[in-house]
Amino acid sequence: GENVEQHPSTLSVQEGDSAVIKCTYSDSASNYFPWYKQELGKGPQLIIDIRSNVGEKKDQRIAVTLNKTAKHFSLHITETQPEDSAVYFCAALREGSQGNLIFGKGTKLSVKP
Amino acid sequence: ETGVTQTPRHLVMGMTNKKSLKCEQHLGHNAMYWYKQSAKKPLELMFVYNFKEQTENNSVPSRFSPECPNSSHLFLHLHTLQPEDSALYLCASSQRSQGGEAFFGQGTRLTVV
Repeated sequence: GENVEQHPSTLSVQEGDSAVIKCTYSDSASNYFPWYKQELGKGPQLIIDIRSNVGEKKDQRIAVTLNKTAKHFSLHITETQPEDSAVYFCAALREGSQGNLIFGKGTKLSVKP
Repeated sequence: ETGVTQTPRHLVMGMTNKKSLKCEQHLGHNAMYWYKQSAKKPLELMFVYNFKEQTENNSVPSRFSPECPNSSHLFLHLHTLQPEDSALYLCASSQRSQGGEAFFGQGTRLTVV
């Protein structure tokens, strides 16, 4: 079955700097890769996703890149702000199968003002 | 507001109590999920329901009993729990035919005393 590894487990950056979180997956048939942000006291919320037919997707300050050959994908946050502080989860899924989202273990991002 | 509502938000129960967690989704989705979130296993899939039919039970102890009376409602019945069952219980929903995007509720913070 699918296995998703996520690094680092904690990340501290200064406001305005960039943050990068990386994930690797094991099932080469996985084709959908979402990223979730979980703020304290709330459930995870989808912030961006990418499908295997593209290599990069951007939405304002956040972007995701996908390398299918190496089976890894990354979340990039530029110009970080204190409100970006949260736990971020990556996940992988083979859409169209009976499988379910497999999540990484999460990265706690702290943005210091 | 994600369209997935969980009640109660917080619950304290004794080991001999019986309680139920409720989840309701207003998104017209056909799949619903229960996840357990704890420090040890950040997002652990417990149960999956597709079109009201349970399709996955990830070796969850029988003291957790799910119920899905219709595609909009999901319950998790709890009885004779252990202190190690204390965790955040998250409900999610998705539309299987439209891809892998899952929407989470705010969660129920459960404490077993």
